Amino acid sequence: DTGVSQNPRHKITKRGQNVTFRCDPISEHNRLYWYRQTLGQGPEFLTYFQNEAQLEKSRLLSDRFSAERPKGSFSTLEIQRTEQGDSAMYLCASSLKQRTYNEQFFGPGTRLTVL
Amino acid sequence: QKEVEQNSGPLSVPEGAIASLNCTYSDRGSQSFFWYRQYSGKSPELIMFIYSNGDKEDGRFTAQLNKASQYVSLLIRDSQPSDSATYLCAAQRGGGADGLTFGKGTHLIIQP
Repeated sequence: DTGVSQNPRHKITKRGQNVTFRCDPISEHNRLYWYRQTLGQGPEFLTYFQNEAQLEKSRLLSDRFSAERPKGSFSTLEIQRTEQGDSAMYLCASSLKQRTYNEQFFGPGTRLTVL
Repeated sequence: QKEVEQNSGPLSVPEGAIASLNCTYSDRGSQSFFWYRQYSGKSPELIMFIYSNGDKEDGRFTAQLNKASQYVSLLIRDSQPSDSATYLCAAQRGGGADGLTFGKGTHLIIQP
């Protein structure tokens, strides 16, 4: 499969625990994005990497959230001290830097449930 | 505040008819626009993108952009039951690197 992959697909955790999600982008894509989607809403942008550099972070990304892309390939998103409001689908997307457009392709997502 | 507005629906269209989905955006700095299809419980799938005023056709799908009116639309010709899904409109600022700003989506139902 040459698409974006995410692991785990589902995560159930108790409030206060830390969780980490992984995203593997399409192999030649140098841009990687994290989004969060709750029921009935469109995805909300969280953060974006170009290669290993984190270039933009949304105000939605509180200090409990941290993302890394250490070698410019896969990325991890960690949520510390989870809260029930963190329950959502966490989506990763990747794209290839182009001059005029930036098609983003999404992975299957990680569904987080915080009890 | 960058916003993308869509009618949440549901929009019900008979099989074989044309489905018309609309979207408006508030940020005049938006340059590129994307339509994604999302089936229940699945992730968004890219259908079309457009960045020039006018129409862009791809098979049964036509995207339309009017930057003066800040309006984007998606037409689906010969609608099929498999087209039943939520359609998400997304905007991106110029430069092509920013995260996408999504609308809430329009739920489309194609009636057999």
